[in-house]
Amino acid sequence: KAGVTQTPRYLIKTRGQQVTLSCSPISGHRSVSWYQQTPGQGLQFLFEYFSETQRNKGNFPGRFSGRQFSNSRSEMNVSTLELGDSALYLCASSLEPTGANVLTFGAGSRLTVL
Amino acid sequence: GQNIDQPTEMTATEGAIVQINCTYQTSGFNGLFWYQQHAGEAPTFLSYNVLDGLEEKGRFSSFLSRSKGYSYLLLKELQMKDSASYLCAVRDVQTGANNLFFGTGTRLTVIP
Repeated sequence: KAGVTQTPRYLIKTRGQQVTLSCSPISGHRSVSWYQQTPGQGLQFLFEYFSETQRNKGNFPGRFSGRQFSNSRSEMNVSTLELGDSALYLCASSLEPTGANVLTFGAGSRLTVL
Repeated sequence: GQNIDQPTEMTATEGAIVQINCTYQTSGFNGLFWYQQHAGEAPTFLSYNVLDGLEEKGRFSSFLSRSKGYSYLLLKELQMKDSASYLCAVRDVQTGANNLFFGTGTRLTVIP
């Protein structure tokens, strides 16, 4: 059973540009969540999608957005990149966003903003 | 809001036992997770506690006390491959099932 797949794994952008990151969840998983990981802040919740609907959103500016497709694949977009957006972006999937469902994480997309 | 504290770094000897503590404050506690993350890799699930007590899984055990807002991860018979970051995360019923609040992680170094 394939795990959570994130693409691209590494990317370098410059300030002001935009970036789109992709996440393919484990087959059968319908809930996808996104987290930002930085050395000082740890993992911080960005947003969660279930059945193509955003259920929750973390405390990030509107430059951060996402969507989920009918096949449960998800993308997140960051516009007008800032230096502080440099981070590891992790996607996690679960069967459903309830109860003791375990989040399974992908290896992440490491974004460097110059 | 939520607040999760765990030590930043720990060092232990191969074959020994190490306990990684996590304290939390949250208004709608609905479960606590421990994840292991090796450098450059995805966090992987270790354990889940929602009721008080000890959960054991091979060399790894996790304990929860909801009244004290406290959990620990116990690693026995340490191996070099256990060198990794260990992340404590809390689920809050008020903010959603998959909006986990993570501590900054404890970097464990196992030495020979």
